Formats: sequence, C-alpha cells, structure tokens
Amino acid sequence: AQKVTQAQTEISVVEKEDVTLDCVYETRDTTYYLFWYKQPPSGELVFLIRRNSFDEQNEISGRYSWNFQKSTSSFNFTITASQVVDSAVYFCALRDTDKLIFGTGTRLQVFP
Amino acid sequence: DGGITQSPKYLFRKEGQNVTLSCEQNLNHDAMYWYRQDPGQGLRLIYYSQIVNDFQKGDIAEGYSVSREKKESFPLTVTSAQKNPTAFYLCASSIGNRFEQFFGPGTRLTVL
Repeated sequence: AQKVTQAQTEISVVEKEDVTLDCVYETRDTTYYLFWYKQPPSGELVFLIRRNSFDEQNEISGRYSWNFQKSTSSFNFTITASQVVDSAVYFCALRDTDKLIFGTGTRLQVFP
Repeated sequence: DGGITQSPKYLFRKEGQNVTLSCEQNLNHDAMYWYRQDPGQGLRLIYYSQIVNDFQKGDIAEGYSVSREKKESFPLTVTSAQKNPTAFYLCASSIGNRFEQFFGPGTRLTVL
C-alpha cells in the first residue's frame, strides 16, 4: 500500500526551540519521491523539498534540515531555532505513479 | 510573474446549484491537479490531468467534473450531486509527475 503517516497532529514550542516533524511512509516502489510542504494560515501550500529514494544524503537549507532513512521508511523534518513565522501546518507527501499522496499534516505552533 | 491563480478566493452558493472554480497557470506545466481540504484534514485528490484533453479521476471524484481544453486552464465544477461541497479547494500544477507540485492560493467554497 502507498501511505504516508504523520503521527503528530499538533506540536507547540517556544521560539528558538528545535522541533522535529515525523513522517513515515509505505511504498511498493523501489524508486520513489518524497516531498514536504508548508501551509501557512493563508492556505496556500508552499513547496519545501523533494527527495529521491536513491539519494540518501541528508539535506540542510538554512534552519531547515531533512533526515531521510530508508531503513526505517522515514523522512523527518527538523526546524532549528524555530521562529513564530514557522507556525503552519506541514505536510509530507509520497509520489504514487502520477499523483501525490499526502499525510494528514502536523500543525506547528511557535509561541514567542 | 509565473504562478497559479485561483478565483475567486471565497465563494458562496445555494444548495443545489452547480459552481465552477477557476484555475489558471502560466508556468507552462503539463500536469494539473485539484485537491479538496476539509478542516483539520489532509489533501484529497479530486481530478488530475497530465495533458490537454485528458484527465483522470482521483480518490474523491464523485460529484465533480473537470475539463482541460487549454494547457494553462483546468476548471473544476462542483455539481449538485456533491453531497458535502463546503471545503477549501486547491489547484496545483507540475512539470511532470516526478516533480514537485506548485499550488495556487485556494478557493474556499461555502454552500448555504
């Protein structure tokens, strides 16, 4: 089955804390693509990253980093030194043939 | 500026009326998608199109219809057959199915 699980429904942190959002996936494919999106209160989904299954290097972009582990079928997202502007719903997604399967999202609230 | 536009941002309709949501992109993307999002939930795929004059049903196509007469346009009609149409509708496009999808700002439909 093709599936994405984001077990954390909501996370609250205080500004400057580090936070990790979990994503576990199931796929029958040997080659696959994973994605993270951010949905701020405005509603529009913002693309953050795409990761190929054959590239297991972790990625860092400023305060954002992603840890891809095929052995545990996980693609976790860490925000370092969180800021209030990071408050949003974050979605992990898996490509399934010609469409994306989204997890149910994790709502992150960062308090000042 | 390249991007995806959806109009209107808010839409109100009476029960039993069909309504068409607009989605236009000037990114020269081949693939376009429609998603529905209900409060506190992830995105569910309604319809998608990988090429002009062709489209496929997603997971929740019942009560919806689409057309793809032009590469840049993919309108969604919510028909009276859709039992619970009140939701947030997001349109997206991508170069191809291996690549990230880019989203429009969404249309919030309320059926009274």
